[in-house]
Amino acid sequence: QQQVKQSPQSLIVQKGGISIINCAYENTAFDYFPWYQQFPGKGPALLIAIRPDVSEKKEGRFTISFNKSAKQFSLHIMDSQPGDSATYFCAASTSGGSYIPTFGRGTSLIVHP
Amino acid sequence: EADIYQTPRYLVIGTGKKITLECSQTMGHDKMYWYQQDPGMELHLIHYSYGVNSTEKGDLSSESTVSRIRTEHFPLTLESARPSHTSQYLCASSDTSTPGNTIYFGEGSWLTVV
Repeated sequence: QQQVKQSPQSLIVQKGGISIINCAYENTAFDYFPWYQQFPGKGPALLIAIRPDVSEKKEGRFTISFNKSAKQFSLHIMDSQPGDSATYFCAASTSGGSYIPTFGRGTSLIVHP
Repeated sequence: EADIYQTPRYLVIGTGKKITLECSQTMGHDKMYWYQQDPGMELHLIHYSYGVNSTEKGDLSSESTVSRIRTEHFPLTLESARPSHTSQYLCASSDTSTPGNTIYFGEGSWLTVV
């Protein structure tokens, strides 16, 4: 049972374009939605995160859009650069308690120069 | 930002050998995790711990074992390595008191069993 569904599995974008990765969840108890960026040979690193009380969060070229009613959230990378080429994972979790965060299956992003 | 250290980073070992992958974190996080990941693929949770003397099996069945005797240390052991164990192993930790149990990952240990 996959609690967080991520799409697409892979994405190819031209330099300067917009990269969009989508995630959907089922558990309404989730209250924290981070995105991780992983370069080859490295561990995933926290990129940006959002809580459900806001619909959008922006940090530089990276924006999370959140739709609570649809139980969906997405990562937008504006002006995509070759250095953004990496695997991106969405996740969902609840604060505190015994809950273990759930990850999407990942999206491999390639940005062509 | 959490500091998580994994050793060794790269290991090539023969079939049947016993290995231990070390993981230490310096932030006093209560939860720790081990994930298995093939290159560029999804993360599979194999073990986690809520704190000292707590260990739980994750979603993916694994022949490895873990221990949590100290808060900062969460080693993973394979008693008899097989080629099917060839993969990257990622250690991670989180603090229950921080928003959403944000997970911080180590750099990973690449294991090749020949």
